[in-house]
Amino acid sequence: GAGVSQSPRYKVAKRGQDVALRCDPISGHVSLFWYQQALGQGPEFLTYFQNEAQLDKSGLPSDRFFAERPEGSVSTLKIQRTQQEDSAVYLCASSAVAGGLSNEQFFGPGTRLTVL
Amino acid sequence: AQSVSQHNHHVILSEAASLELGCNYSYGGTVNLFWYVQYPGQHLQLLLKYFSGDPLVKGIKGFEAEFIKSKFSFNLRKPSVQWSDTAEYFCAVNFNDMRFGAGTRLTVKP
Repeated sequence: GAGVSQSPRYKVAKRGQDVALRCDPISGHVSLFWYQQALGQGPEFLTYFQNEAQLDKSGLPSDRFFAERPEGSVSTLKIQRTQQEDSAVYLCASSAVAGGLSNEQFFGPGTRLTVL
Repeated sequence: AQSVSQHNHHVILSEAASLELGCNYSYGGTVNLFWYVQYPGQHLQLLLKYFSGDPLVKGIKGFEAEFIKSKFSFNLRKPSVQWSDTAEYFCAVNFNDMRFGAGTRLTVKP
């Protein structure tokens, strides 16, 4: 595709609900990243995939957060039993090369999650 | 702990003024450095990056940044800002993962 797309763009969840956020990276991009951006802050790294392999999940804040990329393209970030502190914009980024941390990342528009 | 600091939360300038946004990081090893920009209503996009070589790097739209290793700094500069530069600017450093600063909001008054 022309760029990274994310859906939904906005999500409102009641506390305790499960949510699933989708990321469609640029076609052919090997690396995929998820970030969490709280209001007034910069993006914070959550997890990184190289193709279908999740190479780094050190940034996931709790075991309620789970990400997958089963076929090495589309990725889903799932948050179980959402809490108010999960409210943030969730950004997805992709990069053309492996080890994409050292290369330009292309960002999607983000999903704004509000937990009531 | 590894961290990235942007000193200015909000900068307001008039058109044609010069711009310098500060970025410092805390890490003694080799790093790659980036500045990203987010224009209102748009995605984050890369402004410029430094991996190695000439510590003065030039990016898009007349921006440049200088890596000063001894000061752990990577400040962003532009000699003459335009109204269209109004945006949020993020410094980012890759350690073992990518760390972003909190961002600086730039408002350029016409």
